[in-house]
Amino acid sequence: QQPVQSPQAVILREGEDAVINCSSSKALYSVHWYRQKHGEAPVFLMILLKGGEQKGHEKISASFNEKKQQSSLYLTASQLSYSGTYFCGTESPSGSRLTFGEGTQLTVNP
Amino acid sequence: ETGVTQTPRHLVMGMTNKKSLKCEQHLGHNAMYWYKQSAKKPLELMFVYNFKEQTENNSVPSRFSPECPNSSHLFLHLHTLQPEDSALYLCASSQDNHYGYTFGSGTRLTVV
Repeated sequence: QQPVQSPQAVILREGEDAVINCSSSKALYSVHWYRQKHGEAPVFLMILLKGGEQKGHEKISASFNEKKQQSSLYLTASQLSYSGTYFCGTESPSGSRLTFGEGTQLTVNP
Repeated sequence: ETGVTQTPRHLVMGMTNKKSLKCEQHLGHNAMYWYKQSAKKPLELMFVYNFKEQTENNSVPSRFSPECPNSSHLFLHLHTLQPEDSALYLCASSQDNHYGYTFGSGTRLTVV
C-alpha cells in the first residue's frame, strides 16, 4: 500500500519554509526522498533508516519516526531551485522494493 | 546524464506494434527497476532485477516483457499495448535494495 503525502501542493515565496509529510499504514524499514523537476528524472535526496534518525542536505533535512511510521521533509529558506515534485518512497522490513507516494508539488516564486 | 541512460526518449507506437525500451547503467549497481509514471498517479513499480535475476513482477500484464541480459542493461519489450499504457517509463538502479535509486530520464510512450 502506497504512503500518503501531504500537502498535495504548496506555493512559497523565496526564503520561506515548508514541511512535507509522508505517512504509512505499514511498518517501515526506510524512507527515501526524491525531487523531480518537470521533464527530468527523479533525483535522490536522502534515505532515512529505522531508528528515528534525522538527516540534513544543505537546507533540506528530514526526520523519520519509526513508531508513528511517518517521515517529514523540511525545506528552510527556500530557493527557486527547490521547485519540483517531491516524492517519498517507503520500504518495508521485508525489503525488496520502494513504494512511492503521489508526490507534493512545490513551487517557489521570487 | 544521470548515470542511467534510457532510449528512446520518446516513442509513439500503434497497438499492433512491437517495440523495446532500453536502459543502461555503468554505476556498478546490482539492482535495476522499471517504474511506470502516469499523470496524477504515483510511481508504479513494474519489475525488479537483482544480479540479473527477476525478483519481482508487480502483477504487470504480459504485454510488457522485461529482459536483463547482464547487470548493466535492462530492456522492456512491448507488444499489443493499449492506449492506457501511455505513460513515462522510468528505469532506476541501486546498490542493493536499501540504498538510494538513480533514475534515468525516462521514455515518454504514447500508444495510438
